[in-house]
Amino acid sequence: NAGVTQTPKFQVLKTGQSMTLQCAQDMNHNSMYWYRQDPGMGLRLIYYSASEGTTDKGEVPNGYNVSRLNKREFSLRLESAAPSQTSVYFCASSGRDLNTGELFFGEGSRLTVL
Amino acid sequence: GQQLNQSPQSMFIQEGEDVSMNCTSSSIFNTWLWYKQDPGEGPVLLIALYKAGELTSNGRLTAQFGITRKDSFLNISASIPSDVGIYFCAGQLFKAAGNKLTFGGGTRVLVKP
Repeated sequence: NAGVTQTPKFQVLKTGQSMTLQCAQDMNHNSMYWYRQDPGMGLRLIYYSASEGTTDKGEVPNGYNVSRLNKREFSLRLESAAPSQTSVYFCASSGRDLNTGELFFGEGSRLTVL
Repeated sequence: GQQLNQSPQSMFIQEGEDVSMNCTSSSIFNTWLWYKQDPGEGPVLLIALYKAGELTSNGRLTAQFGITRKDSFLNISASIPSDVGIYFCAGQLFKAAGNKLTFGGGTRVLVKP
């Protein structure tokens, strides 16, 4: 019963380094999302993919890129990490036809940029 | 963009107490949702509300979709230690592209020492 799987769970980067967060879901969902969570600010949408082959910006896309590799996988890339990108990142997915608002979240990836 | 103001930001509970939290928005939403996040985990959906005025229960949890469609509240009755965590409200517009949600800042529920 994997659901949404994110890797890595923890990462420490130096300013300027690049890295990719991986996400995969096994629920055959069309829509996938990347959120970041910062204290007191809730979850803010970085990018989303409504369906395979499409990606769109969310509230806070600057400094990030995404790739919807196939229906299962949606990756988030930081090309040149900055301390302001220290956060917990969550990948989520939802079934398009449901339109119930239920997002299924991964366990999160905690990123520290020094 | 839309903003959801969630209050209180944090609260202490004593076992057996009833607690409540609420969420207000400057914009109208068509769906209101409440999620709970346990430490080290991703948020999990607790309750979804689809109609203005709707009152829905899930065990000891009760949530209401405000009549103006700009607010919602969540009540937890007879709290227990495992109610500790962060509770998020979220709003969704009708047929939002990609089912996007807007989240509140969260209410952190802690146990009274």
